Amino acid sequence: ETGVTQTPRHLVMGMTNKKSLKCEQHLGHNAMYWYKQSAKKPLELMFVYSLEERVENNSVPSRFSPECPNSSHLFLHLHTLQPEDSALYLCASSQDLSGGVSGELFFGEGSRLTVL
Amino acid sequence: GNSVTQMEGPVTLSEEAFLTINCTYTATGYPSLFWYVQYPGEGLQLLLKATKADDKGSNKGFEATYRKETTSFHLEKGSVQVSDSAVYFCALRKGDDKIIFGKGTRLHILP
Repeated sequence: ETGVTQTPRHLVMGMTNKKSLKCEQHLGHNAMYWYKQSAKKPLELMFVYSLEERVENNSVPSRFSPECPNSSHLFLHLHTLQPEDSALYLCASSQDLSGGVSGELFFGEGSRLTVL
Repeated sequence: GNSVTQMEGPVTLSEEAFLTINCTYTATGYPSLFWYVQYPGEGLQLLLKATKADDKGSNKGFEATYRKETTSFHLEKGSVQVSDSAVYFCALRKGDDKIIFGKGTRLHILP
């Protein structure tokens, strides 16, 4: 059982669809993150949750809607996306917002999203 | 503000060559420094880290030394393998602030 699991691994959707990305962590961590990774661009931090409360929202368009029902699960709801939203979406977790003793983030394998 | 600058890629080397990927940082005080690696089709994973000046992080034959005087944390490996082909990210974290990643350096190792 891997530490951080993301589903689906691949998703193709039209601009009018509604879909969701799911992330689950089995590490007992209190902080969870969504990152966007686009070709030839730096990693972009989208959202940060600590103990199920959103603590950061980096000017992300409202067509991306995060949800954190408990400290083990994180969702990213997608609605009326644009082709430029095609990217790899990475979920990560850490012991707490400071990363705990190790300062380390643990990443899932990502969900590859293609918007047609 | 805090920032990380790493060399542009891609870097292409032959198997068994010596590798250096440069990373410099800007931060006040003493941040923790990290190298993360992303293998094809996977997420990022921690490769090594150092938390104070002159510390050397090492893992899988890779090393990086925290140099306060030059604000650097260069990644090195004496003899690379095809399986080292990946994207490498330098990163820093200061206290409770969020982790800051560099832009990543893609490494291709030719057999």
